[in-house]
Amino acid sequence: NAGVTQTPKFQVLKTGQSMTLQCAQDMNHEYMSWYRQDPGMGLRLIHYSVGAGITDQGEVPNGYNVSRSTTEDFPLRLLSAAPSQTSVYFCASRGSYNEQFFGPGTRLTVL
Amino acid sequence: GESVGLHLPTLSVQEGDNSIINCAYSNSASDYFIWYKQESGKGPQFIIDIRSNMDKRQGQRVTVLLNKTVKHLSLQIAATQPGDSAVYFCAEINQGGKLIFGQGTELSVKP
Repeated sequence: NAGVTQTPKFQVLKTGQSMTLQCAQDMNHEYMSWYRQDPGMGLRLIHYSVGAGITDQGEVPNGYNVSRSTTEDFPLRLLSAAPSQTSVYFCASRGSYNEQFFGPGTRLTVL
Repeated sequence: GESVGLHLPTLSVQEGDNSIINCAYSNSASDYFIWYKQESGKGPQFIIDIRSNMDKRQGQRVTVLLNKTVKHLSLQIAATQPGDSAVYFCAEINQGGKLIFGQGTELSVKP
């Protein structure tokens, strides 16, 4: 199993650009989520999904969209990037047991 | 609102000593708590968890203690090793199934 994979590892955007952060898991987990982590801070929940076709907002959803067309994939979209979205983004998945597995992260800089 | 916070941002211990990392939470209805370890440049890694109907749980070299009376959680690491150097987060799964993180404590182990 590859676990949770994220692409890209690094990305630099200009203000106003759009992009999609990819996340995939091969553990057949129903629950997937996206977090952002700012320096010296814990992880804050952006969006989550309890299964294919179902998504919901977390603590900091503004400026981000998600979709869940398959169990495996949970992409995060930035429609118009802003400098405040400079952060490290982590995708995670969780099965029936509560242990949550995290991906390696995507480091995003918005200029 | 809910919050899960840590008492100290940094902790420095001598190799071989025991480490204690503390965490306070505010939601008395929280049912499930998790400790994560995050090494530099990596995603959080599950260490140990505890349910609210328990007050102690032990793993390999780690023990989590839960005091529901004062809403306090601690992680004890026995015989701390240089490989234990990382940022440690406590997290809570609330009634809605969301995983909420605290700010983090950076543990440094001196050889």
